[in-house]
Formats: sequence, structure tokens, C-alpha cells
Amino acid sequence: NAGVTQTPKFQVLKTGQSMTLQCAQDMNHEYMSWYRQDPGMGLRLIHYSVGAGITDQGEVPNGYNVSRSTTEDFPLRLLSAAPSQTSVYFCASRPGTGGLNTEAFFGQGTRLTVV
Amino acid sequence: AQSVTQPDIHITVSEGASLELRCNYSYGATPYLFWYVQSPGQGLQLLLKYFSGDTLVQGIKGFEAEFKRSQSSFNLRKPSVHWSDAAEYFCAVGGWNQGGKLIFGQGTELSVKP
Repeated sequence: NAGVTQTPKFQVLKTGQSMTLQCAQDMNHEYMSWYRQDPGMGLRLIHYSVGAGITDQGEVPNGYNVSRSTTEDFPLRLLSAAPSQTSVYFCASRPGTGGLNTEAFFGQGTRLTVV
Repeated sequence: AQSVTQPDIHITVSEGASLELRCNYSYGATPYLFWYVQSPGQGLQLLLKYFSGDTLVQGIKGFEAEFKRSQSSFNLRKPSVHWSDAAEYFCAVGGWNQGGKLIFGQGTELSVKP
């Protein structure tokens, strides 16, 4: 049972490059989210999805795109990397409202450095 | 506004001593409350959660937390800290809006002295 899998674990980009952070879950969860973690700021929501084909913005969406073509996958795209996007990125999944007393499951994170 | 405050950025305790990490929240609806732990270079592991019912909840690794609605608090406690508890601890509040969005506190880094 893999849970939430993120790839890559580490990445260095040059300013202006684009890339995709991958996230996959095998728990058939409806809800998936991307957070970024910065020192002293906890985790902040970038984008989220409540099901295949449905995505929406969180509190820090600028510079990122997402799509959700399947229940399992929720990739995060950086369109033109900037040093301000240097951060640790976490993907999370959670059962939808049909599941009571449920929590979010997190991936191991992707540490991204933009130079 | 919805927010979570962890007043202590860094706490140091001696091994075997008791621990309390503070968490205060502001949330318009009935809150679902969580404590997560993050070891260096690792992801987030759920310690415990509160949805309803008994306001004292037990979690893994000997941790417990008490929900106090009147104080908008959800403090984490452990009676005797082990060196392996050194990590960063995050309090979070959420519901079912915005895809189950979680609002995190800034985190409290725990150091354990031998």
C-alpha cells in the first residue's frame, strides 16, 4: 500500500524553466491538494481538487497550474520557475465528504530549489 | 479569518520531562483539529485528530491533546518526552470546504536534551 507518492524528491531548476511535480495516490481518495512549506509559515494551500476534472485555487496559486484527469494523479506544473518558488512541496489526499472522521495523507515531499 | 497560531517557535525540554505544545485557532464553523509531526527531511505524520465527542483525544507515540472550545485551543501533551520526539510539530484546522483544506500553524520545533 503505497499511499501518496511524490516524484521527484529533489529538484534544482534555473529561473524560467518549467517542470511538473508528480503526485499519485492509490487509496481512491476524491480530494487531493498541493501545499508548499516555507520556514516560519507552516504549509499553505496552492491548488486543490475535489474529483477528476475539478480543480480550484488555494491561497498561493500564482505561478502554478494543476489538472486532474484521473482520480489517482494530481500533477503540479511550474510554468516559469522563480527563486520565490524555492520551497518544499507536499501533496495530500483525503477521502471525500462521504467518509467521516477522515484525515489527510501526505506524500514525502519534493524539495525544489530555483537558482 | 481562519487561522492557527502556535505561539512557541522553538521549545527545548529534557528527556523524561513533560511537554505541552500550544495551539490556538480561529475558525468559523465546527473545527476539525489535527496535530502532525515532521521529522527532518520527512513528510507529515498524523499524531492525532479531533472531530467530535470526547475533548481529550489520544494519539500515537503517547501523545494526547485536549480540545477547549471556550479557549479556541487544542494543546498537545506528552507526560514523558523521549529523544526520538525531537521534530517539528504542526497544528492544523480544517473542514470539508475547499477540498478539505487544512490551515496550518507555523510549527513548533522541539529539541530534546539528554
